[in-house]
This record gives sequence, C-alpha cells and structure tokens, in this order.
Amino acid sequence: QVQLQESGPGLVKPSETLSLTCTVSGGSISSYYWSWIRQPPGKGLEWIGYIYYSGSTNYNPSLKSRVTISVDTSKNQFSLKLSSVTAADTAVYYCAREKRASYGYGEMATAQFDYWGQGTLVTVSS
Amino acid sequence: QSALTQPASVSGSPGQSITISCTGTSSDVGGYNYVSWYQQHPGKAPKLMIYDVSNRPSGVSNRFSGSKSGNTASLTISGLQAEDEADYYCSSYTSSSAVFGGGTKLTVL
Repeated sequence: QVQLQESGPGLVKPSETLSLTCTVSGGSISSYYWSWIRQPPGKGLEWIGYIYYSGSTNYNPSLKSRVTISVDTSKNQFSLKLSSVTAADTAVYYCAREKRASYGYGEMATAQFDYWGQGTLVTVSS
Repeated sequence: QSALTQPASVSGSPGQSITISCTGTSSDVGGYNYVSWYQQHPGKAPKLMIYDVSNRPSGVSNRFSGSKSGNTASLTISGLQAEDEADYYCSSYTSSSAVFGGGTKLTVL
C-alpha cells in the first residue's frame, strides 16, 4: 500500500520561502506523477502542480511564478518550494499521487489523485 | 482556470439518494473524461471515490456512482448512511492542469 507523508516547518514568515518534502513509502516514485495540493482553512482544494519521476513539471498558472517542485528518486521523495509567501498561502498542504493514462507514444497526468498524504498545516505569520 | 461549480450544500435522510452536480466548461469537464470525486471528512485528507467520470476504486462502496452530460458531471450516493456526511469535491483535467470544484457539504438528516 502506497503511503505519503509530508514534512516541513509549520510556520513561515511573510516574504520567505515555504519548503515541504513528501516521502513516498510502500512503492517506487518512478513511473508516476506526484502533485502538491493545498486547502486554506475552511476553504476548497487548489492544485499547485506536479512533477513526473523524470523531473518534468507542470504548475498552476496562478502560482507558477513562485513554485518549484523537485524530485529525489534515490530517497523516494519530492519537494515543494513556494517563494514570497503571504498570509494567503496559509493552508493545509497535501502531497498526492496523480493517476496516469497512456496515449499515443507516452503517458499523461490525468488530474485524478488516488493516494494522499495526511496533510500538514503551514501558517504564514510573523 | 476558474473553479468548477458545485452546490454549497445538499442534504438527505438515511436510505435516500442524493446527487451532487459539478459544472464546468468544454475546456475541462466537457472536454475530457478525467473527472474525479473526493470525499473529505473533517480534519482528514480527501479520499478518491470516483475517477474517469464513473469508475470506482477498489474498496469504494457501489452506493457511489458518477456520470457526465455535456459540461456537467454528477455524483450520486444511494442508500444514504450517516458516515456519508462529509464534504465532496469534484476535479477535472484541463490543459495539462487540474481544477477543483468549490466543494459540497453533505448533511445526512
């Protein structure tokens, strides 16, 4: 059974960079897409972006200028960095595995998330 | 991309059936069969209930079903049970990205 676990600071100061890591256990990080999703307190879900195990990425256009997602296959981990944070970035951050589909000569991410971490609350405050 | 539109709340009595709608555009819900639904209990991570419009992951009750017509997807829960009370979110693929609905709170009366 695949399990995901987020880790990182729970408090970040405004204008600084939020950094989180997701550790995948019970399966290999290879051959899958891995996403970050966040949920502000009392609000809905927002997709942040994904990384393929090969390192290719895709980000939410509304966050693209501030987001970097990276992968370390040797550690079965992937990470999120969100720069220049404000109070609006306060949220529970989830990592998740994104289902893939085959097409033509390759695979694609399908924006459907079958395994999730438990989530970690990150508060932006001075 | 704009969020998909869901009703803020729905309710039903035990044993009844309810349907939650999720309306998008031809660029997301209407354009792809990559529509999924998630159940979220308070303080918990979302759980995948339906994928590819109407497929259930292993272990999900067959009381949950999904469908799509045009730009609107729907989640139907039959034989409502107390444990179905939760928030429900739809999601769709769009232009290499994912977009979620605003969420629907289901109350079991």
